[in-house]
Amino acid sequence: DAKTTQPNSMESNEEEPVHLPCNHSTISGTDYIHWYRQLPSQGPEYVIHGLTSNVNNRMASLAIAEDRKSSTLILHRATLRDAAVYYCIRCNNAGNMLTFGGGTRLMVKP
Amino acid sequence: ETGVTQSPTHLIKTRGQQVTLRCSSQSGHNTVSWYQQALGQGPQFIFQYYREEENGRGNFPPRFSGLQFPNYSSELNVNALELDDSALYLCASSLDGSTQPQHFGDGTRLSIL
Repeated sequence: DAKTTQPNSMESNEEEPVHLPCNHSTISGTDYIHWYRQLPSQGPEYVIHGLTSNVNNRMASLAIAEDRKSSTLILHRATLRDAAVYYCIRCNNAGNMLTFGGGTRLMVKP
Repeated sequence: ETGVTQSPTHLIKTRGQQVTLRCSSQSGHNTVSWYQQALGQGPQFIFQYYREEENGRGNFPPRFSGLQFPNYSSELNVNALELDDSALYLCASSLDGSTQPQHFGDGTRLSIL
């Protein structure tokens, strides 16, 4: 099963950090971990991806556990525009298939 | 840089009909993937086209077929439409079918009556 496990929903206060967890206990050694988010009435938007090392970009940070069975997406200061469904995805080595689970709906309170 | 565009944005069909959805990939991208997203669920992978050849397929029946053109735009065709085919159909483009990010369009909302 190529799916991941995420909480159905999370809540955060504006301007506070948010840690979105993801379990992928059956991940293979060559699978990448991708995070996408989907705002209402829009297609998914790429956030970040990694293989083994922690990754940072202008949107977020990705912390990957040493055994690679879990990862955490970190939004350093949540804004109202970050309210979305966040998907943690295992991407096979060929890169030809993203297997989405149910995602985490993030709600940001002002 | 032109992003991924899909047409039409909305479409209504009846059971048994056929439909063609279109996607223009982002400039410089040679790979197009199609996904089906039912209401309240995550997108499900249908198939991917890389340089005009099918490069992977999800668990969808043969009545879902696709095409990629030399300019890397793509079509998704669905024959013998069923009520369960009502969904948002998303197209995503990327470079070289690799593990690089996929860039999604905003989808075509298909309703089957």
